[in-house]
Amino acid sequence: DADVTQTPRNRITKTGKRIMLECSQTKGHDRMYWYRQDPGLGLRLIYYSFDVKDINKGEISDGYSVSRQAQAKFSLSLESAIPNQTALYFCATRAGGGNTGELFFGEGSRLTVL
Amino acid sequence: AQRVTQPEKLLSVFKGAPVELKCNYSYSGSPELFWYVQYSRQRLQLLLRHISRESIKGFTADLNKGETSFHLKKPFAQEEDSAMYYCALHYGGSQGNLIFGKGTKLSVKP
Repeated sequence: DADVTQTPRNRITKTGKRIMLECSQTKGHDRMYWYRQDPGLGLRLIYYSFDVKDINKGEISDGYSVSRQAQAKFSLSLESAIPNQTALYFCATRAGGGNTGELFFGEGSRLTVL
Repeated sequence: AQRVTQPEKLLSVFKGAPVELKCNYSYSGSPELFWYVQYSRQRLQLLLRHISRESIKGFTADLNKGETSFHLKKPFAQEEDSAMYYCALHYGGSQGNLIFGKGTKLSVKP
Protein backbone atom coordinates (compact mmCIF):
# COMPACT_ATOMS: atom_id res chain seq x y z
CA ASP A 1 0.00 0.00 0.00
CA ALA A 2 1.26 3.47 -0.86
CA ASP A 3 2.01 5.16 2.41
CA VAL A 4 3.51 8.02 4.38
CA THR A 5 6.16 6.89 6.86
CA GLN A 6 7.69 8.90 9.66
CA THR A 7 10.81 8.13 11.69
CA PRO A 8 11.38 8.10 14.56
CA ARG A 9 7.95 7.48 16.03
CA ASN A 10 9.06 8.56 19.48
CA ARG A 11 12.06 10.57 20.60
CA ILE A 12 13.15 12.03 23.90
CA THR A 13 15.93 14.56 23.79
CA LYS A 14 17.48 17.34 25.82
CA THR A 15 17.36 21.09 25.42
CA GLY A 16 19.90 22.33 22.91
CA LYS A 17 20.22 19.10 20.94
CA ARG A 18 19.72 18.93 17.19
CA ILE A 19 16.90 16.66 16.11
CA MET A 20 15.81 15.47 12.68
CA LEU A 21 12.43 13.95 11.91
CA GLU A 22 12.19 12.17 8.62
CA CYS A 23 9.27 11.55 6.31
CA SER A 24 9.11 9.39 3.24
CA GLN A 25 6.19 8.61 0.97
CA THR A 26 5.37 6.11 -1.72
CA LYS A 27 2.24 7.88 -2.94
CA GLY A 28 4.03 9.74 -5.71
CA HIS A 29 2.67 13.06 -4.43
CA ASP A 30 4.41 16.33 -5.21
CA ARG A 31 3.36 18.19 -2.12
CA MET A 32 4.62 17.50 1.39
CA TYR A 33 3.88 19.16 4.70
CA TRP A 34 4.98 19.22 8.30
CA TYR A 35 2.38 19.95 10.97
CA ARG A 36 2.62 20.11 14.70
CA GLN A 37 -0.25 18.98 16.93
CA ASP A 38 -0.70 20.33 20.45
CA PRO A 39 -3.66 19.72 22.77
CA GLY A 40 -6.12 22.58 22.48
CA LEU A 41 -4.24 24.15 19.58
CA GLY A 42 -5.04 21.68 16.85
CA LEU A 43 -2.78 21.26 13.85
CA ARG A 44 -0.46 24.07 12.84
CA LEU A 45 1.56 24.17 9.65
CA ILE A 46 5.34 24.44 10.08
CA TYR A 47 6.70 24.12 6.53
CA TYR A 48 5.50 22.87 3.19
CA SER A 49 6.97 22.00 -0.16
CA PHE A 50 5.22 21.80 -3.53
CA ASP A 51 8.16 20.12 -5.26
CA VAL A 52 11.84 19.35 -4.73
CA LYS A 53 13.03 22.92 -5.29
CA ASP A 54 10.20 24.59 -3.45
CA ILE A 55 10.22 25.27 0.31
CA ASN A 56 7.74 27.53 2.08
CA LYS A 57 7.28 28.66 5.64
CA GLY A 58 4.04 27.91 7.36
CA GLU A 59 2.35 29.43 10.36
CA ILE A 60 5.00 28.50 12.95
CA SER A 61 8.37 28.02 11.22
CA ASP A 62 10.61 29.72 13.81
CA GLY A 63 13.03 27.24 15.36
CA TYR A 64 12.56 24.72 12.54
CA SER A 65 14.12 24.03 9.18
CA VAL A 66 13.34 21.52 6.44
CA SER A 67 15.01 19.73 3.59
CA ARG A 68 13.32 18.19 0.55
CA GLN A 69 15.93 15.67 -0.48
CA ALA A 70 13.81 14.05 -3.16
CA GLN A 71 10.20 13.99 -4.25
CA ALA A 72 9.59 11.23 -1.74
CA LYS A 73 11.50 12.65 1.24
CA PHE A 74 10.93 15.67 3.43
CA SER A 75 12.85 16.13 6.68
CA LEU A 76 12.16 18.47 9.57
CA SER A 77 15.03 19.67 11.76
CA LEU A 78 15.12 21.35 15.11
CA GLU A 79 18.55 22.98 15.24
CA SER A 80 18.50 23.52 18.98
CA ALA A 81 15.52 21.90 20.61
CA ILE A 82 13.65 23.65 23.42
CA PRO A 83 10.96 22.29 25.75
CA ASN A 84 8.08 24.12 24.09
CA GLN A 85 8.80 22.14 20.94
CA THR A 86 7.52 19.08 22.75
CA ALA A 87 4.63 17.98 20.55
CA LEU A 88 3.32 15.41 18.12
CA TYR A 89 4.61 16.09 14.62
CA PHE A 90 2.84 14.95 11.48
CA CYS A 91 4.04 14.71 7.95
CA ALA A 92 1.43 14.82 5.21
CA THR A 93 1.33 14.59 1.45
CA ARG A 94 -1.06 15.78 -1.21
CA ALA A 95 -1.26 15.35 -4.96
CA GLY A 96 -0.54 18.49 -6.94
CA GLY A 97 -2.24 20.05 -9.93
CA GLY A 98 -5.94 20.71 -9.72
CA ASN A 99 -6.43 18.48 -6.70
CA THR A 100 -7.51 20.33 -3.58
CA GLY A 101 -7.78 19.28 -0.04
CA GLU A 102 -7.14 15.68 0.77
CA LEU A 103 -4.02 15.26 2.83
CA PHE A 104 -2.57 11.86 3.60
CA PHE A 105 -0.90 11.76 6.99
CA GLY A 106 1.87 9.75 8.53
CA GLU A 107 1.42 8.14 11.92
CA GLY A 108 3.17 10.95 13.74
CA SER A 109 6.45 11.46 15.58
CA ARG A 110 6.15 12.21 19.27
CA LEU A 111 8.98 14.46 20.41
CA THR A 112 9.74 15.25 24.03
CA VAL A 113 12.33 17.90 24.84
CA LEU A 114 13.54 17.84 28.43
CA ALA B 1 -7.30 36.26 6.92
CA GLN B 2 -8.77 32.82 6.79
CA ARG B 3 -9.79 31.16 10.00
CA VAL B 4 -11.55 28.00 11.18
CA THR B 5 -13.32 27.94 14.52
CA GLN B 6 -14.48 24.86 16.38
CA PRO B 7 -16.08 26.23 19.54
CA GLU B 8 -16.25 22.98 21.48
CA LYS B 9 -13.09 21.30 22.74
CA LEU B 10 -15.06 18.35 24.05
CA LEU B 11 -18.47 16.98 23.21
CA SER B 12 -19.89 14.12 25.20
CA VAL B 13 -23.07 12.27 24.18
CA PHE B 14 -24.73 8.95 24.89
CA LYS B 15 -24.90 6.17 22.35
CA GLY B 16 -27.90 6.62 20.08
CA ALA B 17 -28.15 10.36 20.66
CA PRO B 18 -27.77 12.86 17.83
CA VAL B 19 -24.47 14.63 17.55
CA GLU B 20 -23.47 17.92 15.96
CA LEU B 21 -19.90 19.16 15.86
CA LYS B 22 -19.77 22.82 15.03
CA CYS B 23 -17.43 24.49 12.57
CA ASN B 24 -17.42 28.09 11.43
CA TYR B 25 -15.03 29.61 8.96
CA SER B 26 -13.85 32.98 7.77
CA TYR B 27 -12.60 33.29 4.20
CA SER B 28 -13.12 35.92 1.54
CA GLY B 29 -12.85 33.48 -1.35
CA SER B 30 -14.85 30.45 -2.37
CA PRO B 31 -14.43 27.95 0.49
CA GLU B 32 -13.61 24.29 0.25
CA LEU B 33 -14.26 22.57 3.54
CA PHE B 34 -13.39 19.21 4.98
CA TRP B 35 -13.74 17.15 8.10
CA TYR B 36 -10.80 15.04 9.22
CA VAL B 37 -10.97 12.43 11.97
CA GLN B 38 -8.32 10.94 14.24
CA TYR B 39 -9.29 7.76 16.06
CA SER B 40 -7.27 6.69 19.07
CA ARG B 41 -3.79 5.54 18.05
CA GLN B 42 -4.49 6.11 14.37
CA ARG B 43 -3.40 8.70 11.90
CA LEU B 44 -5.57 11.57 10.75
CA GLN B 45 -7.75 10.72 7.80
CA LEU B 46 -10.27 12.48 5.66
CA LEU B 47 -13.85 11.89 6.75
CA LEU B 48 -15.72 13.94 4.21
CA ARG B 49 -15.56 17.02 2.01
CA HIS B 50 -18.33 19.42 1.18
CA ILE B 51 -17.85 19.08 -2.58
CA SER B 52 -18.78 15.42 -2.47
CA ARG B 53 -22.02 15.97 -0.54
CA GLU B 54 -21.79 12.40 0.66
CA SER B 55 -22.51 10.58 3.88
CA ILE B 56 -19.60 8.71 5.44
CA LYS B 57 -20.13 6.43 8.43
CA GLY B 58 -23.52 8.10 8.86
CA PHE B 59 -22.01 11.58 9.10
CA THR B 60 -23.09 14.47 6.91
CA ALA B 61 -22.03 18.09 6.71
CA ASP B 62 -23.66 20.90 4.77
CA LEU B 63 -21.88 24.05 3.77
CA ASN B 64 -23.93 27.09 4.77
CA LYS B 65 -22.35 30.11 3.14
CA GLY B 66 -24.79 32.52 4.74
CA GLU B 67 -23.82 31.40 8.23
CA THR B 68 -20.25 30.51 7.17
CA SER B 69 -20.67 27.13 8.81
CA PHE B 70 -19.90 23.51 8.02
CA HIS B 71 -21.31 21.57 10.96
CA LEU B 72 -20.83 17.80 11.14
CA LYS B 73 -23.94 15.81 12.06
CA LYS B 74 -24.94 12.27 12.80
CA PRO B 75 -28.46 11.28 13.88
CA PHE B 76 -27.46 8.34 16.10
CA ALA B 77 -23.98 8.33 17.63
CA GLN B 78 -22.08 5.07 18.09
CA GLU B 79 -19.30 4.32 20.55
CA GLU B 80 -16.88 3.81 17.69
CA ASP B 81 -17.44 7.43 16.67
CA SER B 82 -15.39 8.54 19.67
CA ALA B 83 -12.44 10.40 18.19
CA MET B 84 -10.88 13.78 17.57
CA TYR B 85 -12.54 15.69 14.75
CA TYR B 86 -10.94 18.54 12.85
CA CYS B 87 -12.65 20.93 10.48
CA ALA B 88 -10.37 22.23 7.72
CA LEU B 89 -10.55 24.96 5.12
CA HIS B 90 -8.67 24.84 1.84
CA TYR B 91 -7.76 28.31 0.67
CA GLY B 92 -5.73 29.81 -2.14
CA GLY B 93 -6.73 27.62 -5.05
CA SER B 94 -4.32 25.11 -6.55
CA GLN B 95 -1.33 26.78 -4.84
CA GLY B 96 -3.09 27.05 -1.52
CA ASN B 97 -3.07 25.12 1.71
CA LEU B 98 -5.28 23.69 4.39
CA ILE B 99 -5.92 25.42 7.69
CA PHE B 100 -7.33 23.39 10.56
CA GLY B 101 -9.56 24.23 13.46
CA LYS B 102 -8.41 23.36 16.97
CA GLY B 103 -10.44 20.19 16.99
CA THR B 104 -13.34 18.74 18.96
CA LYS B 105 -12.99 15.56 20.94
CA LEU B 106 -16.16 13.51 20.66
CA SER B 107 -16.84 11.02 23.43
CA VAL B 108 -19.77 8.63 22.95
CA LYS B 109 -20.77 6.94 26.18
CA PRO B 110 -22.50 3.54 26.31
